[in-house]
Amino acid sequence: GENVEQHPSTLSVQEGDSAVIKCTYSDSASNYFPWYKQELGKGPQLIIDIRSNVGEKKDQRIAVTLNKTAKHFSLHITETQPEDSAVYFCAASKGFQKLVFGTGTRLLVSP
Amino acid sequence: DAGVTQSPTHLIKTRGQQVTLRCSPKSGHDTVSWYQQALGQGPQFIFQYYEEEERQRGNFPDRFSGHQFPNYSSELNVNALLLGDSALYLCASSRQLSNQPQHFGDGTRLSIL
Repeated sequence: GENVEQHPSTLSVQEGDSAVIKCTYSDSASNYFPWYKQELGKGPQLIIDIRSNVGEKKDQRIAVTLNKTAKHFSLHITETQPEDSAVYFCAASKGFQKLVFGTGTRLLVSP
Repeated sequence: DAGVTQSPTHLIKTRGQQVTLRCSPKSGHDTVSWYQQALGQGPQFIFQYYEEEERQRGNFPDRFSGHQFPNYSSELNVNALLLGDSALYLCASSRQLSNQPQHFGDGTRLSIL
């Protein structure tokens, strides 16, 4: 079955810096890759997603890139703010069915 | 427009007991998926319900069962609780065949003593 690896497990940056989180997946049939942000005591909130027919997608300060050949995708956050501090999860799925999640990255943005 | 709602928010049980968790999907959604999130881990897929039937199942024992009602709401039942069942149980809803993402509720925190 699908396996998703995520790195780093923790990431500390200064406010205004950029943050990059990387994921790799094993099943070449996966075609949908969402990113979720989870704050303490809350459920995962979708922040951006990308489908396999697209190489890059951007939404304000957040962007995701996908390399199907290498089977990896990355989340890029620019101009980080303290409110970006949270745990971020990548996931992969086939046809919008079950999501297979990575192990999460704890992002800490210091003022 | 209410999002995905789950109840209860917290629950404490003892080993061997049974528990039922409830989920109401986001308005317009007809598919419900359940995930288990252990502390410090990513969510793990339990199963998905659509048209009142289990459509997909993850690697969980038969102690985990579910149900979907005609109004699309869903229940997750866990029998013979083990200490290892302590986790955050998340419900996600989506609209079948819409190619739209799953939206998560805030979960039920289940603690087994």
